[in-house]
Amino acid sequence: DGGITQSPKYLFRKEGQNVTLSCEQNLNHDAMYWYRQDPGQGLRLIYYSQIVNDFQKGDIAEGYSVSREKKESFPLTVTSAQKNPTAFYLCASSIDRRGDSNQPQHFGDGTRLSIL
Amino acid sequence: KQEVTQIPAALSVPEGENLVLNCSFTDSAIYNLQWFRQDPGKGLTSLLLIQSSQREQTSGRLNASLDKSSGRSTLYIAASQPGDSATYLCAVPNAGKSTFGDGTTLTVKP
Repeated sequence: DGGITQSPKYLFRKEGQNVTLSCEQNLNHDAMYWYRQDPGQGLRLIYYSQIVNDFQKGDIAEGYSVSREKKESFPLTVTSAQKNPTAFYLCASSIDRRGDSNQPQHFGDGTRLSIL
Repeated sequence: KQEVTQIPAALSVPEGENLVLNCSFTDSAIYNLQWFRQDPGKGLTSLLLIQSSQREQTSGRLNASLDKSSGRSTLYIAASQPGDSATYLCAVPNAGKSTFGDGTTLTVKP
């Protein structure tokens, strides 16, 4: 079945450590997104990518990094510079033909990151 | 900068009741508006997407309306069921990004 797979489901980070969250999609979508969700709040955009080898900062990019070497994959690294990384991280994708914002977003099941 | 507000933050209703969830946005120059459902600890499931040229979209017991001029959208749920209990979020895309409201957490009591 087509969809978005995020792994792992749960992740723990030690002080000073970088961790990477995986996001893979087999929907043949051009655009991919990373969001952070804190308890009782909506989603805030971290990074997004509309095409391979290109990505843009969202509203809260500091302390995070991404890469987009393949259309299917958009991994997110939470670096040691992110001082408050505990949150629920959601990856999404959409068809996003260049300039077409009428396409719905599809989401993975999320990764919950906690500090040890 | 687009801001999206959802009121109320939480809602509890008895089973069978019809209900309305509200979503407001500050910039009316939108392409579309999307309603999502989120179950605890899960990702988001798309419920309805209303394009800017439409006023309504329906799917089963759900009906979403859009009034761009007033910056409002409503999600109407008919004959609510306990299985409808979840958090409902609205989102407005702009230039490849989306701005989300904080959601309304709905509890439907048997």
